[in-house]
Amino acid sequence: SQQGEEDPQALSIQEGENATMNCSYKTSINNLQWYRQNSGRGLVHLILIRSNEREKHSGRLRVTLDTSKKSSSLLITASRAADTASYFCATDGNDMRFGAGTRLTVKP
Amino acid sequence: DTAVSQTPKYLVTQMGNDKSIKCEQNLGHDTMYWYKQDSKKFLKIMFSYNNKELIINETVPNRFSPKSPDKAHLNLHINSLELGDSAVYFCASSRGVRETQYFGPGTRLLVL
Repeated sequence: SQQGEEDPQALSIQEGENATMNCSYKTSINNLQWYRQNSGRGLVHLILIRSNEREKHSGRLRVTLDTSKKSSSLLITASRAADTASYFCATDGNDMRFGAGTRLTVKP
Repeated sequence: DTAVSQTPKYLVTQMGNDKSIKCEQNLGHDTMYWYKQDSKKFLKIMFSYNNKELIINETVPNRFSPKSPDKAHLNLHINSLELGDSAVYFCASSRGVRETQYFGPGTRLLVL
């Protein structure tokens, strides 16, 4: 079974900067989702992008999907300290699979 | 109102004991999941039920047994607990398979 793999494993930036995280997967998908996990909490769904979509926006989040490269990116613009969390991508295929996540630290 | 709830929140127990973790969702979803998140934060799916039927059963020790008495509940029973079972266990639900998942707060299990 496939799963998304996030890159980088960890990212540290200053408040106000943009943060970009990448996700790669191996087989064909119907959709790809991004989730966020604050320390000690459950995952929270951020955004879903379907295989026939190339880009999607939600507030300060921008997700792109390149099915030819089997990759997706999550861009958080004008980051805030409150964005500090782990970010996971999940792909479906036969069923949902999560990667190991990118741990984002936004320094005030 | 809590959408996906788990009990207990913390569980500290001795090796060899048997314990259960309960999960309930009030979202009317058909699909429920159990995940294990280890110390490296890797989130691994263990089981998934759709309409009370087991649809995903990953390679986990048979000491782990899920039970779904109805669509709103998915419990996890663990026999003969081992040190390596220490982790955070998350329950989740979704309207259907492959759809957005809603996670519970997690159960932190520590086996001594």
